[in-house]
Amino acid sequence: GAGVSQTPSNKVTEKGKYVELRCDPISGHTALYWYRQSLGQGPEFLIYFQGTGAADDSGLPNDRFFAVRPEGSVSTLKIQRTERGDSAVYLCASSLVPSGLTDTQYFGPGTRLTVL
Amino acid sequence: AQKVTQAQTEISVVEKEDVTLDCVYETRDTTYYLFWYKQPPSGELVFLIRRNSFDEQNEISGRYSWNFQKSTSSFNFTITASQVVDSAVYFCALKMWGNNDMRFGAGTRLTVKP
Repeated sequence: GAGVSQTPSNKVTEKGKYVELRCDPISGHTALYWYRQSLGQGPEFLIYFQGTGAADDSGLPNDRFFAVRPEGSVSTLKIQRTERGDSAVYLCASSLVPSGLTDTQYFGPGTRLTVL
Repeated sequence: AQKVTQAQTEISVVEKEDVTLDCVYETRDTTYYLFWYKQPPSGELVFLIRRNSFDEQNEISGRYSWNFQKSTSSFNFTITASQVVDSAVYFCALKMWGNNDMRFGAGTRLTVKP
């Protein structure tokens, strides 16, 4: 079946601009995660959704970052007033059951964000 | 603190060699899960294995095998008879029961030369 999809695959923007990154999880997966991967590093947790609500946003670096999942499926990560330091690959993952039950997370291909 | 260390930044082998990727983790929790993911040049993280803290049995899947040792807090990954297609960055990750985030190591870049 279809895996996690993310759009766009690449996004180039200018410092100070607003961007939206989209994630479409595996059908039926209730849990959705966003991670950020900087060059040469492992992914770092940003936010976790269980259904429509952000159950854990402890990884968001500051209030310029926000994410929504209004219908419990597709999620959008929003970054305001982008900075060069936001340049990274943003990964989305989904799992079948809630995080507390520690189901396996399946990752999408990522969106490479470049802030000029 | 929860932490994953992959001390090998890069490994290069010749095809058909065996190679072991090391993973050492730190946690004070008694219930946790360990994972290995493969990230090929395409960028997508591919799930390889999940192991919970109460199951120390080693696992073999084809050319892949995993050695989990709680006594040394290690979860090492061995590829037997490596192939060029095994070239990728491999990540070890730790997730505590009840936590939402997975902690990843910095990854090991494996290059298999023909």
